[in-house]
Amino acid sequence: QQQVKQSPQSLIVQKGGIPIINCAYENTAFDYFPWYQQFPGKGPALLIAIRPDVSEKKEGRFTISFNKSAKQFSLHIMDSQPGDSATYFCAANSGGSNYKLTFGKGTLLTVNP
Amino acid sequence: DAGVTQSPTHLIKTRGQHVTLRCSPISGHKSVSWYQQVLGQGPQFIFQYYEKEERGRGNFPDRFSARQFPNYSSELNVNALLLGDSALYLCASSPWPRTGNQPQHFGDGTRLSIL
Repeated sequence: QQQVKQSPQSLIVQKGGIPIINCAYENTAFDYFPWYQQFPGKGPALLIAIRPDVSEKKEGRFTISFNKSAKQFSLHIMDSQPGDSATYFCAANSGGSNYKLTFGKGTLLTVNP
Repeated sequence: DAGVTQSPTHLIKTRGQHVTLRCSPISGHKSVSWYQQVLGQGPQFIFQYYEKEERGRGNFPDRFSARQFPNYSSELNVNALLLGDSALYLCASSPWPRTGNQPQHFGDGTRLSIL
């Protein structure tokens, strides 16, 4: 059972465009929602994260929008650059005292010059 | 500051063998988690360790085991390797206790190939 569904699977935009990646979750016990960026041959690197009591968070060119009632959240990348080309993963952490991330399947983003 | 370090970076084994992967967490982080990332998929949770005890386990067979040492470093062991164990194995470290706003930071992983 996939608890975090991510779409689209792949995305191509032009430089300066605003790619949007969407995720939906089922488990209402999730209490922390990070986004990770992964380049080939590297581990996932934390981009930005949000808690469900916040509807939006911005860090630099990255924005998370969170809709708790719909159990959906999305990542927007402003003024995208070719260097942003990577795979992006949304994730959700189970509530409580332990760390356990459930990841989406990833979105391969390509930003053309 | 050094991030999460994992060794080795690449490993090739044959079916039936066993393997040990190592992880050193970020200085000051006391919790270590292990994830398996199959090509083209998101990472999947295997274990979390704190104070040398398993704090959580994902849906993996008993062939997978781990331990944590007094210096908070960790080892992941996989016995009786199968072709399907070929994957990138990721270690993540995080502070303890968890207060809700702390992320997990990942190393670059060990690429395990089973022939």
